[in-house]
Amino acid sequence: DTAVSQTPKYLVTQMGNDKSIKCEQNLGHDTMYWYKQDSKKFLKIMFSYNNKELIINETVPNRFSPKSPDKAHLNLHINSLELGDSAVYFCASSQVFRDNEQFFGPGTRLTVL
Amino acid sequence: KQEVTQIPAALSVPEGENLVLNCSFTDSAIYNLQWFRQDPGKGLTSLLLIQSSQREQTSGRLNASLDKSSGRSTLYIAASQPGDSATYLCAVPHEYGNKLVFGAGTILRVKS
Repeated sequence: DTAVSQTPKYLVTQMGNDKSIKCEQNLGHDTMYWYKQDSKKFLKIMFSYNNKELIINETVPNRFSPKSPDKAHLNLHINSLELGDSAVYFCASSQVFRDNEQFFGPGTRLTVL
Repeated sequence: KQEVTQIPAALSVPEGENLVLNCSFTDSAIYNLQWFRQDPGKGLTSLLLIQSSQREQTSGRLNASLDKSSGRSTLYIAASQPGDSATYLCAVPHEYGNKLVFGAGTILRVKS
């Protein structure tokens, strides 16, 4: 199936730990994104990568570090997890120089205890 | 700074009703607007994308309109069904980069 996929779907961890979320798209898109949906269900951009290069870093703490090994993958590594990091993290992708319609992954629900 | 507002925040209707969801944005310099659906505990499904040069887009029972000059979009759902129950989100690209700025969503419940 053509899609944006994320792993894991659920992540429960202790404060202070380091964790990673992986994202892959097989839509042939050149731009990938990470969004955060907080407890009030509000969605906000975190990062955007175009052709493996960071183009948006939306005042996210340095503990969050995205990595794009190639155009089809954008991983999110989080150091020293805090309670406030608990949220659902969505990966998305789009083809910028077409209609830029964004397609979202199923989300990763992160719970920090 | 682009801000997106959706009204109403929640809507409960009996099955079969036609309904309208509203979205407004403060900066009319957008090049498209996207409507999404989110089911509880699930990801976002893209419903419709309207380019700035278009006034409306249709997909099945869904019709989205765009009035750029007044900063408004509406999503019309015809003959609503219980399966339409979900949160509906509208989003516009920010002027810088391609990030989407989202509204808070409208929670729709269609009762059978």
